[in-house]
Amino acid sequence: EVQLVESGGALVQPGGSLRLSCAVSGFTFSSHWMHWVRQPPGKGLVWVSRIDTETNTHYVDSVKGRFTISRDNAKNTLYLHMSSLRAEDTAVYYCVRGSRDWVGVDVWGQGTTVTVSS
Amino acid sequence: EIVMTQTPLSSPVILGQPASISCRSSQSLVDRDGNTSLSWLHQRPGQPPRLLIYKIFNQFSGVPDRFSGSGAGTDFTLKISRVEAEDVGVYYCMQSTQFPHTFGQGTKLEIK
Repeated sequence: EVQLVESGGALVQPGGSLRLSCAVSGFTFSSHWMHWVRQPPGKGLVWVSRIDTETNTHYVDSVKGRFTISRDNAKNTLYLHMSSLRAEDTAVYYCVRGSRDWVGVDVWGQGTTVTVSS
Repeated sequence: EIVMTQTPLSSPVILGQPASISCRSSQSLVDRDGNTSLSWLHQRPGQPPRLLIYKIFNQFSGVPDRFSGSGAGTDFTLKISRVEAEDVGVYYCMQSTQFPHTFGQGTKLEIK
C-alpha cells in the first residue's frame, strides 16, 4: 500500500524556521517526482514546490528564497525546509507523489499543520 | 501563472441526479508534446484531496465509473452521472502543464 506520512508541523513565531518531513512507503521513492501542496485554514489548495528524480526543483513565487525542497532516497523521505516564516504560511502542508504516467500528481499524504503566530 | 476558474462555486444536488462542474484555464493547457495536464480532485471534509481524473478524462485507480472528465484546450468539465452521498465535499481542477502548478478555487458539492 502506498503511504505518505508527513511530520514536523508546529506552532512557530514569525521569522522562524521549520523542517517538514514526509516518510513514504509502498513504492519506489527514487523513481517519482515529489511535491508539496498547502491549504490555508478554510481556503483552497496552493501548489508549493516540486523536486524531480534528478533533484531539480521548482517553487511558487511566494516561497522562493525562503523554502527548500529536498529528498533523501536512502531514507525514502521528502523534506521541506522553511525559513523566514510569515503568518500567511499558516496552512496544512501535504506531501504529494508525482505520477509516473504523466507530469501531475496522484497520491496525497494526510498533511501536517504549520501555524505561524506570535 | 495560469489561472484556473471553476463554475459554479457551490452546487446543491439531489441524490441520484447528475452534477457537472466546469473549469476554464487562462491559457491553453496543451504542452509542446500535445499532452494536456488537467486533473480533478475531490476533498471530503477533514480529509486530504484524492485524485479522480487525470489528463482530462482518465480515471485514477479505484475511482467509480460515475465520474467522467471531458474537454480540451482551455475548457474542461467534470461530470457525476448519479450523485451519491459520499460525493459531498469540494472538487478542484488542477493544471500541471506549467510551473507553478495551479488549482481552481474549488466547487462545493452539497446534497439538496
